[in-house]
Amino acid sequence: ELKVEQNPLFLSMQEGKNYTIYCNYSTTSDRLYWYRQDPGKSLESLFVLLSNGAVKQEGRLMASLDTKARLSTLHITAAVHDLSATYFCAVESPYNNNDMRFGAGTRLTVKP
Amino acid sequence: DAGVTQSPTHLIKTRGQHVTLRCSPISGHKSVSWYQQVLGQGPQFIFQYYEKEERGRGNFPDRFSARQFPNYSSELNVNALLLGDSALYLCASSLFTVDTEAFFGQGTRLTVV
Repeated sequence: ELKVEQNPLFLSMQEGKNYTIYCNYSTTSDRLYWYRQDPGKSLESLFVLLSNGAVKQEGRLMASLDTKARLSTLHITAAVHDLSATYFCAVESPYNNNDMRFGAGTRLTVKP
Repeated sequence: DAGVTQSPTHLIKTRGQHVTLRCSPISGHKSVSWYQQVLGQGPQFIFQYYEKEERGRGNFPDRFSARQFPNYSSELNVNALLLGDSALYLCASSLFTVDTEAFFGQGTRLTVV
């Protein structure tokens, strides 16, 4: 069974600092997603990573994928308060490409 | 273009009742998936429908059922509601091809009392 683990689950950062969120998954998959969720809101797609070595950047966020290690990272550079949210990684099931398995989420708080 | 729309946005039901949640996909998207997100957890896959046929099912009891209509909209039905069914129910639509991603609606917040 495909399992997805994120760490840390809670992260409190100072503005201007850098940090990395990790996402490990248990079986081979073709695709990994990162989503952002604000309290009471739906999921906003951040990145779709399709191949080994893929790296994507948007603003202060950069995501990478190592399919051999079954590991993805979401790196935050010079955090700002607006980045406070819960971040989820999700991995596509190898048996059904519309069945995404989500991690438990990382609740990020950026403090002034 | 309108995104994925879900109705209602909020709903309160009593234990034992039945509920129907609705989802309209993005225009042109033929695949709809349903997820349950319990407070403080990641979403869990319930169903996926494509061209009106069930293409995937998560680990949920038979009280949960769904269907997709000719216009690709979808309904999720839950019978004999339990307190533990209280959650945010998310619908996602996609083109159901190799290189497409799913887009999520705003969700329906179901509270069972």
